Amino acid sequence: IAGITQAPTSQILAAGRRMTLRCTQDMRHNAMYWYRQDLGLGLRLIHYSNTAGTTGKGEVPDGYSVSRANTDDFPLTLASAVPSQTSVYFCASSDGPKGSYTFGSGTRLTVV
Amino acid sequence: GNSVTQMEGPVTLSEEAFLTINCTYTATGYPSLFWYVQYPGEGLQLLLKATKADDKGSNKGFEATYRKETTSFHLEKGSVQVSDSAVYFCALSSNTGKLIFGQGTTLQVKP
Repeated sequence: IAGITQAPTSQILAAGRRMTLRCTQDMRHNAMYWYRQDLGLGLRLIHYSNTAGTTGKGEVPDGYSVSRANTDDFPLTLASAVPSQTSVYFCASSDGPKGSYTFGSGTRLTVV
Repeated sequence: GNSVTQMEGPVTLSEEAFLTINCTYTATGYPSLFWYVQYPGEGLQLLLKATKADDKGSNKGFEATYRKETTSFHLEKGSVQVSDSAVYFCALSSNTGKLIFGQGTTLQVKP
């Protein structure tokens, strides 16, 4: 592992199903983030975690939950997927305030 | 609140043309400013950054200068290549550490 690993790479999901997107980093960064990318809207922050054991809501948190049990992992869960959650999801980490981010390669999720 | 506005794309240029992608921001305090690039099918990569007024970030022939008086961080390159075709995102990082992105500008460079 080098940097951030996201899984799965892509997924087609039936509406109403539960889904967890995985994110693992090996850089020991304290802060981690989940963004969704939609055409014309750029990247919007869903949830974040400044350090293990803490999480916070971003710009578009509804329908999503996260946990941060340890420094390396930051899974994103969709409890009951809806078509509007069709998007590309990016996990990122940073080494501190005003630091640059390292991004994963993304998960392309389609909810049908 | 904090926000970032980029020029709308797509931007289509011929190889070796001069590139400017405009970016302006609204922020309280003294944010750091970034340009990220996203190549097709990939995640975002840091292209360059500047942490204080009048700083110039540069990388791979791209440059951007942090202009506090005009709240701008325009991206420039003197001679683009086909391999520069990508989506470019301007972003700012406030004291809370969270990045706020512009909507992205697609650049297409034709041979």
